[in-house]
Amino acid sequence: NAGVTQTPKFQVLKTGQSMTLQCAQDMNHEYMSWYRQDPGMGLRLIHYSVGAGITDQGEVPNGYNVSRSTTEDFPLRLLSAAPSQTSVYFCASSRLGRPYEQYFGPGTRLTVT
Amino acid sequence: GQQVMQIPQYQHVQEGEDFTTYCNSSTTLSNIQWYKQRPGGHPVFLIQLVKSGEVKKQKRLTFQFGEAKKNSSLHITATQTTDVGTYFCAGPDETSGSRLTFGEGTQLTVNP
Repeated sequence: NAGVTQTPKFQVLKTGQSMTLQCAQDMNHEYMSWYRQDPGMGLRLIHYSVGAGITDQGEVPNGYNVSRSTTEDFPLRLLSAAPSQTSVYFCASSRLGRPYEQYFGPGTRLTVT
Repeated sequence: GQQVMQIPQYQHVQEGEDFTTYCNSSTTLSNIQWYKQRPGGHPVFLIQLVKSGEVKKQKRLTFQFGEAKKNSSLHITATQTTDVGTYFCAGPDETSGSRLTFGEGTQLTVNP
């Protein structure tokens, strides 16, 4: 099993550009989520999904869109990149229900200039 | 909303010294999880505590869940350079069991 995969590993965008961060898992997990990590601020939840077709906002959703058309994939879209979105982005997945351990992908380091 | 706070934010120790990080929640937690993130890496699950007053050990790591289930601690005995990284605690959201709220993390550096 590959676990949770994310692409790309690194990305540089100009302000105003859009892009999609890809996330896929092969563990048949219903729950998937996106976090951003900034120095001294821990992991902040952007969006999450409890199954195909179901998504919800987390703590910091502004500027990001998600969709969940399959169990395996959970892409994160930046609509119009801003320097404040410079961060490391992690995708995670877990079984649904009482909190199970979350499996994290390797992360995408995004810089917006 | 729910808040999970960790102290200290940074800790520098000499190899062989002990280390403790503390986690406090604004609400009572049904359980708490701990993760470790190595420099440049991604968070990796360490353990989950469920019962009030629970203590679990993993080699040199001791995890404790408070009696009131609002706080937790991670203690490392005789640190090694392999312990370097950021340690996070995380508690489940009150409304969505799968959703976690993470603390800010404690970044541990170990001088050899």
